[in-house]
Parts: sequence; structure tokens; C-alpha cells
Amino acid sequence: AQSVAQPEDQVNVAEGNPLTVKCTYSVSGNPYLFWYVQYPNRGLQFLLKYITGDNLVKGSYGFEAEFNKSQTSFHLKKPSALVSDSALYFCAVRDITGGYNKLIFGAGTRLAVHP
Amino acid sequence: ETGVTQSPTHLIKTRGQQVTLRCSSQSGHNTVSWYQQALGQGPQFIFQYYREEENGRGNFPPRFSGLQFPNYSSELNVNALELDDSALYLCASSLAGVGEQFFGPGTRLTVL
Repeated sequence: AQSVAQPEDQVNVAEGNPLTVKCTYSVSGNPYLFWYVQYPNRGLQFLLKYITGDNLVKGSYGFEAEFNKSQTSFHLKKPSALVSDSALYFCAVRDITGGYNKLIFGAGTRLAVHP
Repeated sequence: ETGVTQSPTHLIKTRGQQVTLRCSSQSGHNTVSWYQQALGQGPQFIFQYYREEENGRGNFPPRFSGLQFPNYSSELNVNALELDDSALYLCASSLAGVGEQFFGPGTRLTVL
């Protein structure tokens, strides 16, 4: 079965510093990986995806993610954090078991950026 | 381009009641998926509709049911509500066969 794990419940970073939110995956076959962000009382907003190609994927709001096949990781990164980046971040993997496309999410990581 | 919309925003029900949640998919999208996000957890897949038929289902009991209409909008129905059904219900639309799903703002259901 496909799965993702987000080992950190919360990540704290100072504004202006680089941030990393970790995600590891377990899949059979080639992974289709996603990052979503959720602000309070809001739905999920798509940030970026990896399907194939370059291991460094660029997404919305200055975020990027690095796909590492040997470490089965897909960490989310940003060179300089903003207070407004504070939110809940979810890593997800596409699962096509049964012939249809659904997302399997991690438990989420809360990012807190301090001024 | 119109994004995914959901209604209502919030809903309070009591145990044993029935509830219907609604979702309008993004323009051009023909597939709708529903997810349940309990407090402090990631979203869990409930089911997916394509061409007005359920084409996949997660580990949810039959009292969770749905519909998709010709305009690709969708409903999620939950019968015999239980306290554990309290959650944020998210609708996502996509094009069949494509991984990227676009989510609505969700409906917060509270069961008392």
C-alpha cells in the first residue's frame, strides 16, 4: 500500500531563515508526490507536485521540494521563511489501487514562523 | 475559471440525524473526490465519482453515500450520524487520470 510519513508534528523557524518540512514515502512503482498547505478554517491549497523529471520541483509562493529516490524522501523547502507561511502542511502520494486516482495524506506538519 | 465551492460552511447536527453536503467542481473537471479530515489528522479518502457513478471507495461504512450530477457537481450524504463523524469534509475535483486534485474550502460538521 502507498503511504507517506511526516515525522515532525511541528517545525519552528525564524522569519528570514530557510525552512524544511520533511516527508518520506513508501510506494510500489513510480511515485506521484504532492504538497498541500492548509490555513486555519480553509481547505487545502496545492503547492507543488513531482511526477517525473528534475528532482528539484518549484511550486507556489516560493516553495520547492526535493525528490530523493534513494532516501524515499520528498522534503518541502523555502530559502527564506515568512510569518505568513505559518500553516499546516500535508504531503500526499497518489494511489491508483483499484484503477482510480486518490490521494493518501500524511498526518500533517504545523509550521510556525516567528518574527 | 471558477474554483471548487462547497456548501454549507458549517453545520451542526445531533446523533442519528442525516446530513447532505454539496460541492461544485472546478470548471472543466469531471471527477469529484470526497475526503474526511478529523481534528489533528490528515484527510482520509471517502469515495470518488466519475461520470455520475462511484468508481472508488475508501474504508467508510455504507451510511456514507454520494451522488454526482450531469454538471459534475456532487453531494455527500451521511445517515445515522455518529459523534465521530464530526470533521471537516473536503471535496476535490480533478480531470480523470490526472493526479492533481483541487480542493474546496470544506464543510465543518459538528455532531452533538
